[in-house]
Amino acid sequence: GDSVTQMEGPVTLSEEAFLTINCTYTATGYPSLFWYVQYPGEGLQLLLKATKADDKGSNKGFEATYRKETTSFHLEKGSVQVSDSAVYFCALSDRGGSNYKLTFGKGTLLTVNP
Amino acid sequence: SAVISQKPSRDICQRGTSLTIQCQVDSQVTMMFWYRQQPGQSLTLIATANQGSEATYESGFVIDKFPISRPNLTFSTLTVSNMSPEDSSIYLCSVEPTRTGTETQYFGPGTRLLVL
Repeated sequence: GDSVTQMEGPVTLSEEAFLTINCTYTATGYPSLFWYVQYPGEGLQLLLKATKADDKGSNKGFEATYRKETTSFHLEKGSVQVSDSAVYFCALSDRGGSNYKLTFGKGTLLTVNP
Repeated sequence: SAVISQKPSRDICQRGTSLTIQCQVDSQVTMMFWYRQQPGQSLTLIATANQGSEATYESGFVIDKFPISRPNLTFSTLTVSNMSPEDSSIYLCSVEPTRTGTETQYFGPGTRLLVL
């Protein structure tokens, strides 16, 4: 079945550092890929998405490129802020049936210190 | 996107009791989903709730434990029945606003459940 493997956390960075959170996936067919963010005490928010190979999703300074050849969708940000502290989830969507099912990675906790 | 609200936002319940969680959307949507997020874990899909049909449950989840209603295109409920401490989790509903082919789901704020 489908699966998502993402970088184990927690990740602790200083403000303005470069961020990479690795995400690889296993899927049949051609899934859409997502990054969701969960701020402390809140629900999930869609951060960015990509629907086909070589697409780049971007939002709030975060970027991720859909790499079919390496089955990856790594999240990057050039300069993190304290407000980016959250849990980040990589996910894929299975288009295989009439229902769209999201499969999530385990999440990566990011803490950014001033 | 869609604006999604859930009630209650949190609750503390005694084992053996049941809790019904409500999910309200500000627009009509075909597909609604219920997820569970156990402490420190990722999200696991419980079931898909489409209006006018029975909910479709994922492996490991059964209707007797998690009955779902979907009376119209803007509302759904999930009941956690005969609760035990292992049911302590965050329960989230999500929707896919339109069938655009991007399968993007938007999530409610979650219901934080503690079972004693």
